[in-house]
Formats: sequence, C-alpha cells, structure tokens
Amino acid sequence: ETGVTQTPRHLVMGMTNKKSLKCEQHLGHNAMYWYKQSAKKPLELMFVYSLEERVENNSVPSRFSPECPNSSHLFLHLHTLQPEDSALYLCASSQDSGLAGGGHNEQFFGPGTRLTVL
Amino acid sequence: AQSVAQPEDQVNVAEGNPLTVKCTYSVSGNPYLFWYVQYPNRGLQFLLKYITGDNLVKGSYGFEAEFNKSQTSFHLKKPSALVSDSALYFCAVRGDYGGSQGNLIFGKGTKLSVKP
Repeated sequence: ETGVTQTPRHLVMGMTNKKSLKCEQHLGHNAMYWYKQSAKKPLELMFVYSLEERVENNSVPSRFSPECPNSSHLFLHLHTLQPEDSALYLCASSQDSGLAGGGHNEQFFGPGTRLTVL
Repeated sequence: AQSVAQPEDQVNVAEGNPLTVKCTYSVSGNPYLFWYVQYPNRGLQFLLKYITGDNLVKGSYGFEAEFNKSQTSFHLKKPSALVSDSALYFCAVRGDYGGSQGNLIFGKGTKLSVKP
C-alpha cells in the first residue's frame, strides 16, 4: 500500500538463532532506514543507507547487521539476540536522506516485522 | 540537540468534535516538521509536513497542523473527528542542517481515541 514491503511480518526466534529481515521499496528512492519500535518508547533509528552506502549506525549492537545490496533492498541480519530485542522493526525509504540534504522529504514506512526473541 | 515532545500519552474525543494532538520541538536552525499516523499492526503513514511558507499545513484525511515558531509547536488538528481516526500519532522533526542533525527524530506518540 505504501510501496514498501517487509518480510516476514512476524518472527519468533531463539537467542541462538540466525535470521534475516527483508525490506523492499518500489518507489525509486535512494535512501533506506531501519527503525526499532518498542512499547512506550519513541522510534529508534538504527541504520541509514544512502545510495547503498551506510551513512549512519546509531550505536546499534553488533548482533544486528544491515545489508543494502541495491537501492531497492535492505536486509537486517540477526544473530544471538536478547529478549529485550523483541520489538517491531520498521523499514522506511525516502528520496535522499536528511544527511544528504533531503531533509524536507517524508519517509515511507513498511508494515514492520514483529520480532519475538525467546 | 534535536528533540520533540508529545505531552499527552492519550487524547480522548467524541465523534464530531474537534481534535488537537500537541507537539513541541527543539532543533538547531529551521525545522522540518512531520506528522505520521500508525494504525494497529501497520507501519507509519505520512499525514503532512511543514517545510516553509504558510504556517497552516493541510494534509491527508482532513488533518491540518499549524506551525508556531515562537512557541516551537506544531499541533495536529481536525475540525470534526471520526471513529476511524483512532490511532497512534507521531510528530517528527529534523533540522535543516546536514550531518547527524539530518536524522528524523520522533516523539513517543499520542494515542487518539474517538468515541461514537
């Protein structure tokens, strides 16, 4: 509906598992983002990619590893997560990142992946 | 440092009444201000933005917001609320500088509940 899709929509994993979240945007944008949304907390920006280059890593633990193979796809690789990592993970895209002078452009969000770490 | 505050966790309104969801901000330079809405089990949807120009901005679904520079506020308003407006509303801000200040900062969200 917004041109940004995320899979899977729901994911349950153990602390020793390795899994990946996928995001795809069909809007022709050149910037993509990962956010974490936890209950009772503001959205937390995790990573920003501009023109397939990571331009922001917002002090995210190394158990989260992003990958942006092209401007339409973004992955978040997960390994040895903790229960406190359980949250809704949102992907977004925009035309130019705020860091590249595109601060006036709105971001378009996917529906999110609801992650539960047992 | 940039910040945005949504002072109300929840706003309750009767259907047909006007609604206001409050937002104040702090940013270096001129602000870019945004409102998003999130329905249950969905991502955030863009409603409207203020970049420059007219202080009253009109957006989707009959919503509007007024930029007030002296009060550093960007309150979301709608003249007549609908039950279907019930959702979580997020205000967001970024400064017009580049670098780390280019990141979008979100408020914690305000839950709007519209009763029939």
